[in-house]
Amino acid sequence: EPEVTQTPSHQVTQMGQEVILRCVPISNHLYFYWYRQILGQKVEFLVSFYNNEISEKSEIFDDQFSVERPDGSNFTLKIRSTKLEDSAMYFCASRDRVDTQYFGPGTRLTVL
Amino acid sequence: AQSVTQLDSQVPVFEEAPVELRCNYSSSVSVYLFWYVQYPNQGLQLLLKYLSGSTLVKGINGFEAEFNKSQTSFHLRKPSVHISDTAEYFCAVIRNFGNEKLTFGTGTRLTIIP
Repeated sequence: EPEVTQTPSHQVTQMGQEVILRCVPISNHLYFYWYRQILGQKVEFLVSFYNNEISEKSEIFDDQFSVERPDGSNFTLKIRSTKLEDSAMYFCASRDRVDTQYFGPGTRLTVL
Repeated sequence: AQSVTQLDSQVPVFEEAPVELRCNYSSSVSVYLFWYVQYPNQGLQLLLKYLSGSTLVKGINGFEAEFNKSQTSFHLRKPSVHISDTAEYFCAVIRNFGNEKLTFGTGTRLTIIP
């Protein structure tokens, strides 16, 4: 069964550094998403992406965040200058034309 | 905007006993409803969903949920739980038109007691 994959599974970085989280969505899916889950809190929407542009973003998704689909398979989330409060589990999701989003296993980001 | 309330943060249940995990939502428009499960150290896996039609939906691993529009609820049930059901369960909603984001509840940690 096709699945969403994410790399790395765990990323440790110093505050102020740039990080790129990578996702490979399910191959025939058209809509892509990033969510995050701070430890002990709920899963929160960050951004949705369709047709090579952002379709919706949350207030969390400020100028420090960006997303890109650099080729036909990868979908990336970049944080330009990480802050301590960016430490969280980041989930990528994708969907086709039906309304179900399928999630990857997540990347745990730790900012020191 | 939509919101989801999962009143029970933790639910301990003896093995082979029934369980119900509660989910209530708030929305001014029609929504689709989902339950996702997160096993330890894993991602979110879809358990079941309600889009339309029969209000009783069946999912994987013997789980089912009933959509109740008047009570704005979508409670998850299983008649007999197994040790392997130990996980975090998240209820989520999405507006059924034009809106991209899933809104999640805070999750319920289900612990199965042998």
